[in-house]
Amino acid sequence: DTAVSQTPKYLVTQMGNDKSIKCEQNLGHDTMYWYKQDSKKFLKIMFSYNNKELIINETVPNRFSPKSPDKAHLNLHINSLELGDSAVYFCASSLEGTGRGNTIYFGEGSWLTVV
Amino acid sequence: AQKVTQAQTEISVVEKEDVTLDCVYETRDTTYYLFWYKQPPSGELVFLIRRNSFDEQNEISGRYSWNFQKSTSSFNFTITASQVVDSAVYFCALSEPYNQGGKLIFGQGTELSVKP
Repeated sequence: DTAVSQTPKYLVTQMGNDKSIKCEQNLGHDTMYWYKQDSKKFLKIMFSYNNKELIINETVPNRFSPKSPDKAHLNLHINSLELGDSAVYFCASSLEGTGRGNTIYFGEGSWLTVV
Repeated sequence: AQKVTQAQTEISVVEKEDVTLDCVYETRDTTYYLFWYKQPPSGELVFLIRRNSFDEQNEISGRYSWNFQKSTSSFNFTITASQVVDSAVYFCALSEPYNQGGKLIFGQGTELSVKP
């Protein structure tokens, strides 16, 4: 069973479209995250939720909106896609935040290409 | 603010060579956690190790070993007798304190290429 699963794995879409990436974890974790990996492989957090509550909201355009219907799911919706949004988006989860020593487990990534 | 530096962008070795990936971190916290992740060519991020700031014992897991030195703020990773399957990007990461959100701050990654 996949611990953190995200769909779709690959997504090619046109500028201006709206798209969503879904994420689910079956680890019983309370905290979920979205990380973005750019073309230079740099990983940066976008959002984190703890028990459906937004904890971290980094400097991300408000075209990106996370939604957590329950603590096992954290979806990412992106409006009005731009070329610069092309990246790999990783969903992840941990028991609590890593500041208490919890390990973050990542999904397989979603490769978004905006054309 | 917390920061992680992996100065080696790319390393290329021949199979069976030993290789060390450097990681230097900055933090003002006394309690923190350090991590290493592996990203193989298939793209997923695989957890390798977690170390807390109070445990400076070196860790060995098969061909992998980690050297944590608080005095130099380093958490280096050594692969002994490297294999082609070790080719990947390796990330070192530092946890942010829980009361600041508890996210992971990643280094820039080191791309390791092991040639046969």
